[in-house]
Amino acid sequence: NAGVTQTPKFRILKIGQSMTLQCTQDMNHNYMYWYRQDPGMGLKLIYYSVGAGITDKGEVPNGYNVSRSTTEDFPLRLELAAPSQTSVYFCASSPTAATNEKLFFGSGTQLSVL
Amino acid sequence: KQEVTQIPAALSVPEGENLVLNCSFTDSAIYNLQWFRQDPGKGLTSLLLIQSSQREQTSGRLNASLDKSSGRSTLYIAASQPGDSATYLCAVRRGGADGLTFGKGTHLIIQP
Repeated sequence: NAGVTQTPKFRILKIGQSMTLQCTQDMNHNYMYWYRQDPGMGLKLIYYSVGAGITDKGEVPNGYNVSRSTTEDFPLRLELAAPSQTSVYFCASSPTAATNEKLFFGSGTQLSVL
Repeated sequence: KQEVTQIPAALSVPEGENLVLNCSFTDSAIYNLQWFRQDPGKGLTSLLLIQSSQREQTSGRLNASLDKSSGRSTLYIAASQPGDSATYLCAVRRGGADGLTFGKGTHLIIQP
């Protein structure tokens, strides 16, 4: 049972480059999330989606874009990478937003922008 | 804006001790509260989820309590083991689709 899978695990980008962080889940969850975690800090929400074709901004969306064409996939696009985007990125999913639903997390992508 | 604070930021105790991690949040209008464990270089593992209508949840040696009116939660770990060493994150869900608000975590070291 794969759960939430993120690729790549590590990546180094040069300033101004672009890349896509991949996230896929095999649990048929409607809700998907992208978070970033800076050293010594909690996770901050970048974007989220409540189903295919529906996305919305979180707390720190600037510099990122997302799409949700299928239930399974929720890629995160970085355009014109900046050093401030150096972070660990986590994708998460949950079946619904009900009070008893947990979020399931991927293992993360560690990104360095130099 | 919801803010979540975790105290202490770091804790080191000898194996076998019981310990308490604290979490406080500023807005009591929450759906649920989750405690996560994070190991270095790994993702987050959900330990316990307490719904807003509940007071506590237990799983093995872990017990989490919730006092929504005072904006506080505690995670109690009984008979600590070196394998419990990790960062523990508290997060609250305020309802709707927009995910969780996290604290910065407590870095726990259990000395053998």
